[in-house]
Amino acid sequence: AQSVTQPDIHITVSEGASLELRCNYSYGATPYLFWYVQSPGQGLQLLLKYFSGDTLVQGIKGFEAEFKRSQSSFNLRKPSVHWSDAAEYFCAVALMNYGGSQGNLIFGKGTKLSVKP
Amino acid sequence: DAGVTQSPTHLIKTRGQQVTLRCSPKSGHDTVSWYQQALGQGPQFIFQYYEEEERQRGNFPDRFSGHQFPNYSSELNVNALLLGDSALYLCASSHPGGTQYFGPGTRLTVL
Repeated sequence: AQSVTQPDIHITVSEGASLELRCNYSYGATPYLFWYVQSPGQGLQLLLKYFSGDTLVQGIKGFEAEFKRSQSSFNLRKPSVHWSDAAEYFCAVALMNYGGSQGNLIFGKGTKLSVKP
Repeated sequence: DAGVTQSPTHLIKTRGQQVTLRCSPKSGHDTVSWYQQALGQGPQFIFQYYEEEERQRGNFPDRFSGHQFPNYSSELNVNALLLGDSALYLCASSHPGGTQYFGPGTRLTVL
C-alpha cells in the first residue's frame, strides 16, 4: 500500500540556521509529490510540488525540495530559517488515476518545526 | 480571487447527532475533495466529488456522505456522530486531476 513517512515528529532550529525535513514514500510508480505547511488552527498551504523533470524544485517562501528516486525521498530544505517558518509541515503523495492524472493525496503524519530566537 | 472557503469555522455537537459542513471551491475549480485531520495526525482522504458525483472514496464508513451542487460547492454530512469524529475537516478544490488547494477547515468537536 502507498504510504508516506516523516521520521521526525518535532524539530527545533535556531533562526538563521539551515533546515532539512525528511520525507520517504512508498509507491509503485513515479509519484506526484507535495509539501504543504499548516500554521496552528489553519488549513494547508502548498509550498511546492514535483511531477516530473528537474528533481530539484523551488517553492514559495524560499523552500526547495529534492526528489531522489533511488532513496524514495523528497526532502524539504531551506538555507536560512525565519521565526515565521514555525509551523507543521506535511509531505504528501498523490495517487495516480487512470489516464495519468493525480488523484487523492496520502499524507505523512507531519513534522512540527519550532524556531529558537 | 477568493480561495477555498469553509463554514462554519467551529462546531460542537453531541454523540448521535448529525452534522453538515460546507465548502465553496476556488474560482475556476470544479472538483472538491474532503479530508479528516485528527489531532496530531496528517489529513486522511474521505471522498472526492466531480460533476455532482462521488468519484473516489477513502476508508470511511457510510455515516460519511456528501453532495456537490451545480455551482461546484459541496457539503459533507456525518450521521450518528461518535467521539472519534472530533477532528479538523478540510476541503480542497482543484481542476480534475489537478493540484489541490485547501480551505481553512472546520473544527468539529463531539461531546
